[in-house]
Amino acid sequence: QVQLVQSGGGVVQPGGSLRLSCSASGFTLSNFGMHWVRQAPGKGLEWVAITWSDGSNKYYADSVKGRFTISRDNSKNTLYLQMNSLRAEDTAVYYCAREIGGLQVSRNWFDPWGQGTLVTVSS
Amino acid sequence: QSVLTQPPSASGTPGQRVTISCSGSSSNIGSNTVNWYQQLPGTAPKLLIYNNNQRPSGIPDRFSGSKSGTSASLAISGLQSEDEADYYCAAWDDSLTGWVFGGGTKLTVL
Repeated sequence: QVQLVQSGGGVVQPGGSLRLSCSASGFTLSNFGMHWVRQAPGKGLEWVAITWSDGSNKYYADSVKGRFTISRDNSKNTLYLQMNSLRAEDTAVYYCAREIGGLQVSRNWFDPWGQGTLVTVSS
Repeated sequence: QSVLTQPPSASGTPGQRVTISCSGSSSNIGSNTVNWYQQLPGTAPKLLIYNNNQRPSGIPDRFSGSKSGTSASLAISGLQSEDEADYYCAAWDDSLTGWVFGGGTKLTVL
């Protein structure tokens, strides 16, 4: 069964750091591009970052560029999101998602999604 | 302010047909495919429609998608109470070099 199971998250003070993990099962992580998407309380979805299947390319939303780092350990079939210099506006449920389709990113889609993990930035 | 524009709400009675629109620009919907996701209350988003109008296995044919120019739409026919959820459109944006989502449409089944 193809599944993404997330861990990490919690409460952190402004300026602090946190690392999220996303463990893949039922498929080989190294064959797929992977994403992080977040959802602030009561708000819509916001794409955060992508890492290509081999990790050669990574792109970030402007709102997190320079503060967040997406990475992957294909030997552990696990995706990560290192979040530094956290701000109150980073408070959200964070989802990991697998990208599937083909070589052209612009014609792909996300399936499945992880269960989500809540990050709260508050003093 | 989301890059893709959706109506914040939609509603219908059981059995009715409802449509949800998604408006973008030449850098996203105009040049790339559109996907739709359904988010039931308290759960993670789920793929509903991909490549403008394709349904994944297990998605009823009551759900359909279409795209024209810089706009897309999701249609739900034979509305059922379990369709009550938030619906999001998404597309890759060539200018932003990233994915963009609509603000979401909350569907209420009256």
